[in-house]
Amino acid sequence: GAVVSQHPSWVICKSGTSVKIECRSLDFQATTMFWYRQFPKQSLMLMATSNEGSKATYEQGVEKDKFLINHASLTLSTLTVTSAHPEDSSFYICSAPTGGDTQYFGPGTRLTVL
Amino acid sequence: DAKTTQPTSMDCAEGRAANLPCNHSTISGNEYVYWYRQIHSQGPQYIIHGLKNNETNEMASLIITEDRKSSTLILPHATLRDTAVYYCIVRPGGSGTYKYIFGTGTRLKVLA
Repeated sequence: GAVVSQHPSWVICKSGTSVKIECRSLDFQATTMFWYRQFPKQSLMLMATSNEGSKATYEQGVEKDKFLINHASLTLSTLTVTSAHPEDSSFYICSAPTGGDTQYFGPGTRLTVL
Repeated sequence: DAKTTQPTSMDCAEGRAANLPCNHSTISGNEYVYWYRQIHSQGPQYIIHGLKNNETNEMASLIITEDRKSSTLILPHATLRDTAVYYCIVRPGGSGTYKYIFGTGTRLKVLA
C-alpha cells in the first residue's frame, strides 16, 4: 500500500508555544489530505481537510486560527498548533487518498503540552 | 455522525477465525464499505473494502449481505498481533475525495 509519514512522532512543548506537524505522502501525490485528532480511548475525530493550493476546510467546532494548515505541495501538508495549551495534548493523525480513493494514514504524532 | 455501528469489543482465541460485524443499514447504492484497524498508538491501517461483492485479500475477507445493510470482516486465523480496534467506514464511491467519519469501532482482543 501507499506510505504516509509524519514528523515528529512525538513532541513535548510548553504552554503558549506553537508546534508544527508534517504529513508527507512518500510514494504518491495527494491534492487532498486529512487531519484527525484522537484522545485516549476515543475514536478519530476529523479536524480539517487540507487542499493543495487553496484554503483548508475545517470541521465544525475546530478553530481555524488555532490549527493552521498549509498544503505546500502535492506531497506535504503541515498542521501548526498555535499557542498550545494542555487541552491540546492529543494524538494527531493525517491521511491521504491515493488515486483509487483509498485513504492511507500516517503513524501519528503524539503532542504533550506542559 | 458515523453511518456504521459495531460491537464495542470482542475476544477471539488465537488461531481461530475472528468475525467482526458491522451494521450500515442506511448505506446508499454507490457507497463503499471500508475496513481499517488501529493498533495501539499507531495510525489506522487499511485492510479491505468492497461495494457489493465479497472480497478477499492477504489480510482478510469481507462479506457484504445482499441488501448491503451489514457486513462482516473475517480474519481467518487470528494471531496475537491482530489485537487492535477495527473500524468499519462507509464512504461514497465515484471519483473524488471523501472524508471518513469514524465510529467507535470494535476492540478485538486475541487470546493466547
